[in-house]
Amino acid sequence: ETGVTQTPRHLVMGMTNKKSLKCEQHLGHNAMYWYKQSAKKPLELMFVYNFKEQTENNSVPSRFSPECPNSSHLFLHLHTLQPEDSALYLCASSLSAAPDYNEQFFGPGTRLTVL
Amino acid sequence: AQTVTQSQPEMSVQEAETVTLSCTYDTSESDYYLFWYKQPPSRQMILVIRQEAYKQQNATENRFSVNFQKAAKSFSLKISDSQLGDAAMYFCAYRSGSGGSNYKLTFGKGTLLTVNP
Repeated sequence: ETGVTQTPRHLVMGMTNKKSLKCEQHLGHNAMYWYKQSAKKPLELMFVYNFKEQTENNSVPSRFSPECPNSSHLFLHLHTLQPEDSALYLCASSLSAAPDYNEQFFGPGTRLTVL
Repeated sequence: AQTVTQSQPEMSVQEAETVTLSCTYDTSESDYYLFWYKQPPSRQMILVIRQEAYKQQNATENRFSVNFQKAAKSFSLKISDSQLGDAAMYFCAYRSGSGGSNYKLTFGKGTLLTVNP
């Protein structure tokens, strides 16, 4: 596998379920990102990890819990979600998060539907 | 805070023709980067072209070029000789070039481009 992969590609869950989204990058990058893409809205940055350390939490509700066990893997743990959390969740990676420009490479996304 | 505005929710173009997608942004910074990303129906977002604000020359990548007007805070994307594979959602994005959360990309809402055969 090359680039950034995400699993599952589609997920339907009830509001009381607990599920996890997985992201893996095969690019040797050190920074990873979670974005939320809702219809008719710009992409919203949720979390940033740089060298496994969380460097950004963009006021995301605690029902979203990220985990970065190593520079290649990023998880987003979900629990007691709301229907308005239904969206496409995109993972991205870059060589590093700061300070110079580093292109972000995106995964295909997980389409999440909360019933 | 920076904002990015794409005023065209949808655009269409005939195959082999040229189309221009608009983007304006608001910032008080002088050092920054601008990007155009493409998200085809398969959803994997890919970088199309980028522009460093300190460069006066407009960036080009094959059939893709930008018109960067720094004073007007405008960053339009021109696609020449449009192909069916160009059909996608196009996002304009801004990234600060100095200090603080300079890795954060601020995106516009996107423009859906349809290419008609």
